[in-house]
Amino acid sequence: SQTIHQWPATLVQPVGSPLSLECTVEGTSNPNLYWYRQAAGRGLQLLFYSVGIGQISSEVPQNLSASRPQDRQFILSSKKLLLSDSGFYLCAWRLAGETQYFGPGTRLLVL
Amino acid sequence: AQSVTQLGSHVSVSEGALVLLRCNYSSSVPPYLFWYVQYPNQGLQLLLKYTSAATLVKGINGFEAEFKKSETSFHLTKPSAHMSDAAEYFCAVSDLMSGSARQLTFGSGTQLTVLP
Repeated sequence: SQTIHQWPATLVQPVGSPLSLECTVEGTSNPNLYWYRQAAGRGLQLLFYSVGIGQISSEVPQNLSASRPQDRQFILSSKKLLLSDSGFYLCAWRLAGETQYFGPGTRLLVL
Repeated sequence: AQSVTQLGSHVSVSEGALVLLRCNYSSSVPPYLFWYVQYPNQGLQLLLKYTSAATLVKGINGFEAEFKKSETSFHLTKPSAHMSDAAEYFCAVSDLMSGSARQLTFGSGTQLTVLP
């Protein structure tokens, strides 16, 4: 069966510091991968998606970037965090069919 | 572009009472529709999905939803609420993005509180 991991689970970072969040999927090959952000009191916002290694599409302009160095690895990065980057970051995968399956999330607090 | 509207950001019900969470969508093509549940500090868990088969869809934990094309609705129901149902619920619609990816467009969520 497929499983999805995200780490770290919680992160507290100062403004201006770099960021790296990692997502890995097990038990499947060539999934579509997605990064979402959920800010306090708001819904889910799609940030990036990837249909294959090295293929990244951005949905919202911001100071974040994403990379997919391996088939089942999806990384969310920033060179300099802003206060507004605080939120709950969710990774998801999709293979055949329409359903996306979500990871446990990373809580990011930028101070 | 597709969109989802969830009426009521907060819903409170008594334990044992009917749960009704409302979702309306807009779509120019036959949609795929989903309900997800999110417990505090956790990811989203799929409750159920509609993919153009039966209009009444049964999901996990006793939840079900009915697709009504004429009303563009996909409301989530459960006959008897349990304390463990307290969570945030998201309705989502799927559309085709560029290439083979499919985007989920989410509603703003409904926080369900179950009162003892």
